[in-house]
Amino acid sequence: DGGITQSPKYLFRKEGQNVTLSCEQNLNHDAMYWYRQDPGQGLRLIYYSQIVNDFQKGDIAEGYSVSREKKESFPLTVTSAQKNPTAFYLCASMDRGNMNTEAFFGQGTRLTVV
Amino acid sequence: SQQGEEDPQALSIQEGENATMNCSYKTSINNLQWYRQNSGRGLVHLILIRSNEREKHSGRLRVTLDTSKKSSSLLITASRAADTASYFCATAEPYSGNTPLVFGKGTRLSVIA
Repeated sequence: DGGITQSPKYLFRKEGQNVTLSCEQNLNHDAMYWYRQDPGQGLRLIYYSQIVNDFQKGDIAEGYSVSREKKESFPLTVTSAQKNPTAFYLCASMDRGNMNTEAFFGQGTRLTVV
Repeated sequence: SQQGEEDPQALSIQEGENATMNCSYKTSINNLQWYRQNSGRGLVHLILIRSNEREKHSGRLRVTLDTSKKSSSLLITASRAADTASYFCATAEPYSGNTPLVFGKGTRLSVIA
């Protein structure tokens, strides 16, 4: 079953704590993306990666970090520097070898600061 | 940066009616896509229209694209309660280093049975 999997579905973070959100895909896609979604809002790009061992900042990268050591995996760490991390986080992947192709999304991780 | 702006922000209709959502964008595009999101879930791709296409159909969906006005519309015909969701447009810029899709803020559609 091909797809993109995010875990956990729900995550709670204490003040000052770093947490890591997992994103795994078995679609053989080179490109992977992290978006943040706030209530009633659209998607804002945090980081993206077009190839292993390379990634680029998106519009709201401050307070986040990523790694891309394997093609299948693109974990996102929400650091203590992110002052308002409560949000819904979405991971996506695309086959960038085809210019007219769609993004595939995971089911999201809802992060709450407690 | 959010390039797409959907209109209206929210739409409530009766089952069986048609629902029309609009999207405006700012820069040149390679294609425009529409996605659906059920509450608390990930986005699901609905339809992609290329910049050289003017209209596209998929089942009960009809998408139009007017590149001169930098706008697109999504029409859902004979709506059902199961169509209740948020709908987003996303644009792909012309090939320039594989830039990510840029999403709008979405239209929340409620279909009342």
